[in-house]
Amino acid sequence: GQSLEQPSEVTAVEGAIVQINCTYQTSGFYGLSWYQQHDGGAPTFLSYNGLDGLEETGRFSSFLSRSDSYGYLLLQELQMKDSASYFCAVMDTGRRALTFGSGTRLQVQP
Amino acid sequence: DSGVTQTPKHLITATGQRVTLRCSPRSGDLSVYWYQQSLDQGLQFLIQYYNGEERAKGNILERFSAQQFPDLHSELNLSSLELGDSALYFCASSVEAGGSSYEQYFGPGTRLTVT
Repeated sequence: GQSLEQPSEVTAVEGAIVQINCTYQTSGFYGLSWYQQHDGGAPTFLSYNGLDGLEETGRFSSFLSRSDSYGYLLLQELQMKDSASYFCAVMDTGRRALTFGSGTRLQVQP
Repeated sequence: DSGVTQTPKHLITATGQRVTLRCSPRSGDLSVYWYQQSLDQGLQFLIQYYNGEERAKGNILERFSAQQFPDLHSELNLSSLELGDSALYFCASSVEAGGSSYEQYFGPGTRLTVT
């Protein structure tokens, strides 16, 4: 099976940088994905790392280290609208389905 | 708007009843996934269909079943409902299945309340 661990809550101020970590245990996986979910909304895809290293998409970047079973999502120039829950997810090679972490609730303060 | 539609948006029913949730994937997507999200919980994968056939199964109870029709829409049937089944049920879709389906598009969800 798989398990993913991420912090339950993170608080930061507008304009700051925040890093949300994710550690995982899985017998085999394709890569690490990140999803954002606003309260009452649907999850939306943010980024994917299939290989080790950093992927950048605008203010968001995501990193993966397969040897450390670790990844993170980096949010820069935080805005109030970034207040949401962020989920890391792995695609299991066996079940071929996404397994999500329990989510990190980010609160951006003025 | 992800292009994935789900109906109904809200559903209130009593214990022991049966309900059907409906999902239409994005145009061109062949894979449909169902997830359950309980209050303050993460997303639990239930089941996946690809082009009409069951592809992967997660933590889906025997009281729950799903199917994907020839027009690719999908239905999730929940029977003998219990209070603990109250949750948000999301449908998601992707073009492919397997390792390349890490990018999924989620519908707005159906909020089920069992009283």
